[in-house]
Amino acid sequence: DGGITQSPKYLFRKEGQNVTLSCEQNLNHDAMYWYRQDPGQGLRLIYYSQIVNDFQKGDIAEGYSVSREKKESFPLTVTSAQKNPTAFYLCASTPPGRPGEQFFGPGTRLTVL
Amino acid sequence: QQQVKQSPQSLIVQKGGISIINCAYENTAFDYFPWYQQFPGKGPALLIAIRPDVSEKKEGRFTISFNKSAKQFSLHIMDSQPGDSATYFCAASITGGGNKLTFGTGTQLKVEL
Repeated sequence: DGGITQSPKYLFRKEGQNVTLSCEQNLNHDAMYWYRQDPGQGLRLIYYSQIVNDFQKGDIAEGYSVSREKKESFPLTVTSAQKNPTAFYLCASTPPGRPGEQFFGPGTRLTVL
Repeated sequence: QQQVKQSPQSLIVQKGGISIINCAYENTAFDYFPWYQQFPGKGPALLIAIRPDVSEKKEGRFTISFNKSAKQFSLHIMDSQPGDSATYFCAASITGGGNKLTFGTGTQLKVEL
């Protein structure tokens, strides 16, 4: 089955710890995105990558970092510098030739205690 | 700065009724307007999308109406069903601009029997 996988589904961390969220896709999509979802605020773009070894900041990149070493993988690290990291994190990708269409993974709910 | 404003925040409709969700945008460079449907604990899924060269697009029970001069677009769900109960997000993007989506804040729809 082709799709986007995010793991784990639920993640708990202590305040001050860095944590890395996984996003893998086997759709052969070039572009990948990370969003943060909070109640009543919709989805906000954290980082995006259009090709391997290249990525750009989104609207709320502070306190986050990413890498794109492989086409299939776009991990997101939530650092201790992120002031309010508890949220639902969504990864997405866009098929070539269909700009604007994004396919989303199932999400990871991160809770920082 | 919120570039896509969505209303209402929540909506209750009787089974068989029409659900209407509205969005307004500010950036006239937006050229792709999708709607996403999200069920609790899941990632959003593309429902229907429109480009500004048409005023209406219909797919089954779902219709997008687009008013370019007013910079508004809306989603109509005809014959609403309990299975339509979900959160709906409008979005907008600029082709070539990283294909980044700017999302509205979401509408929580509940269809009652």
